[in-house]
Amino acid sequence: QKEVEQNSGPLSVPEGAIASLNCTYSDRVSQSFFWYRQYSGKSPELIMSIYSNGDKEDGRFTAQLNKASQYVSLLIRDSQPSDSATYLCAGPNAGGTSYGKLTFGQGTILTVHP
Amino acid sequence: DGGITQSPKYLFRKEGQNVTLSCEQNLNHDAMYWYRQDPGQGLRLIYYSQIVNDFQKGDIAEGYSVSREKKESFPLTVTSAQKNPTAFYLCASRPGLAGGSRNEQFFGPGTRLTVL
Repeated sequence: QKEVEQNSGPLSVPEGAIASLNCTYSDRVSQSFFWYRQYSGKSPELIMSIYSNGDKEDGRFTAQLNKASQYVSLLIRDSQPSDSATYLCAGPNAGGTSYGKLTFGQGTILTVHP
Repeated sequence: DGGITQSPKYLFRKEGQNVTLSCEQNLNHDAMYWYRQDPGQGLRLIYYSQIVNDFQKGDIAEGYSVSREKKESFPLTVTSAQKNPTAFYLCASRPGLAGGSRNEQFFGPGTRLTVL
């Protein structure tokens, strides 16, 4: 099993809807997870970090971490066409936690259509 | 302005040539990382460095080399031994050392390398 795995998508939602992106991980001791947004041809941009079980909200974005079930999700409320991008989930590399290494999922392409 | 810069933005390489990709940061970050991204795939770690004059191989280090002579700089050389170097190369940095510190990484704009 890959260390961090995302539902492959692509995901298409209408403008104004809630987009739900999910990620599962294999390392039970992982403490921190990150969501990056990557527009086509650009580099990833960190949009959410979550370090504890539960929800973390930042504007239209909510990250959820469930350590018991080993999944992390990102909800985007009131989706806008400008949210259309690839979303990457990242967690600590199980083999190198002490070096701050991250393992990235393969990404989920989100399209928000007007 | 604080940030991470990579140059060049686009790079074309002939077969058998070595090329060096630049990565500079003025964020005073300790750790720096090099990733490769291929179409439709996530990021794969090439090399990383926690402190000056020290670096470690990542998951796909073969055909690549790095140096870390200054805290601000972490250049990546793609050698002729790398058989399929065409990809998007991303440099990232992270404040603080490992252990209890936060693991957030921040990315530069990337270099797109094409082998002719």
